[in-house]
Amino acid sequence: GQQVMQIPQYQHVQEGEDFTTYCNSSTTLSNIQWYKQRPGGHPVFLIQLVKSGEVKKQKRLTFQFGEAKKNSSLHITATQTTDVGTYFCAGGLQTSYDKVIFGPGTSLSVIP
Amino acid sequence: EAQVTQNPRYLITVTGKKLTVTCSQNMNHEYMSWYRQDPGLGLRQIYYSMNVEVTDKGDVPEGYKVSRKEKRNFPLILESPSPNQTSLYFCASSLGRGGYGYTFGSGTRLTVV
Repeated sequence: GQQVMQIPQYQHVQEGEDFTTYCNSSTTLSNIQWYKQRPGGHPVFLIQLVKSGEVKKQKRLTFQFGEAKKNSSLHITATQTTDVGTYFCAGGLQTSYDKVIFGPGTSLSVIP
Repeated sequence: EAQVTQNPRYLITVTGKKLTVTCSQNMNHEYMSWYRQDPGLGLRQIYYSMNVEVTDKGDVPEGYKVSRKEKRNFPLILESPSPNQTSLYFCASSLGRGGYGYTFGSGTRLTVV
């Protein structure tokens, strides 16, 4: 079936290091969304990418949507302890009436 | 403040005792959805609603019911809860099914013993 995968599952970084999580879909996506869930919290919408090759930035966070619209990445520059949490991508399926499928998430730990 | 409100936050119940988890949003969103979150499995959709009186099954609907009598409310009903429904549940709302960010409620941690 249609799947959205994310790697890595877990990532531990020293504060100040960079972090990247990758999202891959088995099918072409109409859009990709990214969410952050703090420990004990709920997912919070960060951003949506729609266009092939699109790049968006939010302060230290850079989001990319692949040219084929099947993959995406989230890069955090110089991580801080406030970045701790699980980052989910969610792909909108072109062929399934806009159904959104969430990836399993990447859990980020930041060591002070 | 724009938000999705779920109640209760925590619930411990016994097998077979019917329960309802409420969800309400104040953003006039047409689309609402329920997810369950389990370790290693991510967010899995239970049911969704495109508008009032329009509901449909998600990926894991067995053992659950929903209703959408008003635009703002989308309760999740477990008629006969079982231990495998122990999970963290999230309600979400959005302007539409796809193409818009979802606003999630704070979650309901359900334990069925």
